[in-house]
Amino acid sequence: DIQMTQSPSSLSASVSDRVTISCRASQGISNSLAWYQHKPGKAPKFLLYAASRLESGVPSRFSGSGSGTDYTLTISSLQPEDFATYYCQQYYTTPYTFGQGTKVEI
Amino acid sequence: QMQLVQSGPEVKKPGTSMKVSCKASGFTFSNSAMQWVRQARGQRLEWIGWIVVGSGSTKYAQKFQERVTITRDMSTSTASMELSSLRSEDTAVYYCAAGSGTFDFWGQGTLVTVSS
Repeated sequence: DIQMTQSPSSLSASVSDRVTISCRASQGISNSLAWYQHKPGKAPKFLLYAASRLESGVPSRFSGSGSGTDYTLTISSLQPEDFATYYCQQYYTTPYTFGQGTKVEI
Repeated sequence: QMQLVQSGPEVKKPGTSMKVSCKASGFTFSNSAMQWVRQARGQRLEWIGWIVVGSGSTKYAQKFQERVTITRDMSTSTASMELSSLRSEDTAVYYCAAGSGTFDFWGQGTLVTVSS
């Protein structure tokens, strides 16, 4: 199975901060990487796919980059509604696997 | 709008089976793929398997291969996931999601507690 490792596991930030979350795959995944936002008690929300493509309706302050095994999610100016846990997920091959999550806190 | 509504929470005894349903609306169910993942407390999301709704073709994670069955009912636009031989480690929130590869939108989650 492909192992996905996110860093950091948690971070503290303020509104308007620039936030960067990293995700590393145990082998190359050819940009088959997605990002999700998860708030307690809510369904996770799909943010980006193909490493850098924004899902329809997702604010442009979210962006993704990377290639090979290393990928990054960036929130350019953190908003109050962005405090949540973020997960990366590879869909290069089954079993699809997720990172352990990064909790973005105030 | 596109929506997935899951069945309610369950408490199960070890060794029994559970079945969670996921009713779809707002999109063409027959043209979709439905996936199931779970998240135990403090753990990462874990992929269970998927079904291609139109063909009924399924694929399961090897870890669950012997115990899981994913089905769909196109007449009611409902996907279901049944897990047998339950143990305490199966206590988790179970999610359905629509999408092939990516999880494009999700159900609200169903808490299943396995306890004697």
